[in-house]
Amino acid sequence: KNEVEQSPQNLTAQEGEFITINCSYSVGISALHWLQQHPGGGIVSLFMLSSGKKKHGRLIATINIQEKHSSLHITASHPRDSAVYICAPAGGATNKLIFGTGTLLAVQP
Amino acid sequence: DTGVSQDPRHKITKRGQNVTFRCDPISEHNRLYWYRQTLGQGPEFLTYFQNEAQLEKSRLLSDRFSAERPKGSFSTLEIQRTEQGDSAMYLCASSTYRVENYGYTFGSGTRLTVV
Repeated sequence: KNEVEQSPQNLTAQEGEFITINCSYSVGISALHWLQQHPGGGIVSLFMLSSGKKKHGRLIATINIQEKHSSLHITASHPRDSAVYICAPAGGATNKLIFGTGTLLAVQP
Repeated sequence: DTGVSQDPRHKITKRGQNVTFRCDPISEHNRLYWYRQTLGQGPEFLTYFQNEAQLEKSRLLSDRFSAERPKGSFSTLEIQRTEQGDSAMYLCASSTYRVENYGYTFGSGTRLTVV
């Protein structure tokens, strides 16, 4: 069993739809990152969470430490949101990231 | 400071050759990480530096791989006697740990192709 599981692995949405990506992890963590990667592109950190909820623009991230679960929500999705979204818990003394499998999101106009 | 810089962006090398990559982190970040990402997969941790000290190495980092961070500034990752299986994107990230403001910034990566 992977230490980090994301669902869904692939997601196609129509522009304007509300999107949810889920992440479950089995390791102890100090924080959890949500990352965005465009095809052939670099990785951008969207959020770092250690508890509760954060919002940035149309993006919302939540985490439940007790249940070891996090979600990333995108409101009013747009084609430019099309990318791979990666859940990456940070743990251990070094805070290295353990990457989830990623969710490939395609938002169609 | 313009973020984490990696050089080169692309490297094509023949099997058996040695290659070296460089990473310049954000100047105030004392933590530096190397990750490797193969096509269609998520990145995997390779090694970690806190200042100039290499504090953790993954079992993925065979004896052909070596990393340094002299003076706690830039870092280099060298692969000796490259193999086709080394073809991947090598990502560098830097970080600082403050509860109020945890920064984790990735470089654009170096794409290595071993032919």
